Amino acid sequence: SAVISQKPSRDICQRGTSLTIQCQVDSQVTMMFWYRQQPGQSLTLIATANQGSEATYESGFVIDKFPISRPNLTFSTLTVSNMSPEDSSIYLCSVIGQADNYGYTFGSGTRLTVV
Amino acid sequence: AQKVTQAQTEISVVEKEDVTLDCVYETRDTTYYLFWYKQPPSGELVFLIRRNSFDEQNEISGRYSWNFQKSTSSFNFTITASQVVDSAVYFCALTVMNSGYSTLTFGKGTMLLVSP
Repeated sequence: SAVISQKPSRDICQRGTSLTIQCQVDSQVTMMFWYRQQPGQSLTLIATANQGSEATYESGFVIDKFPISRPNLTFSTLTVSNMSPEDSSIYLCSVIGQADNYGYTFGSGTRLTVV
Repeated sequence: AQKVTQAQTEISVVEKEDVTLDCVYETRDTTYYLFWYKQPPSGELVFLIRRNSFDEQNEISGRYSWNFQKSTSSFNFTITASQVVDSAVYFCALTVMNSGYSTLTFGKGTMLLVSP
């Protein structure tokens, strides 16, 4: 299965600022996903990042708040913009490998605290 | 739409006890995959198992076993002789085979606390 490097692993940010989270995969993957996990909660899908096209956002998430880039088949970034304390969460990227369309792998997560 | 229900919010056991984590799912699709993930306090998601809807055989991996029953739409997870290192949040998840697009629907998770 794919190996994912997600950076940063954690950060403490001031409200009103932005943070960009990077997700690097060691092989080409078809689909990449970004999830948010608020404290004590389950994982919620933010968007699906497709190479060469705009990301597809789930209900309740908008591009202005969570811009996503997917410049190639091994890399994606998620930016959390104009942060508020409510954005304090763990953010995780996930991929499905091309060879195994239902083998989901997750990055180690970014633990974000907004103060 | 898909739904995954993990009715047990938190379970506490003493080491060496057996424990079963329940998972009930809902989907109208006939082809789907079910997953279990472990999330230790460090936060990463550790893949445990994937099961497709056409394979109802139960599976055992060391101290872990899974019971998939389509008749009751359940995919329960049992840990035998639990250990302190098993303490974590466990998530059950579901994905369906929509052409060209697949997302995971997660349950709310069950926190397992294993005390010495």
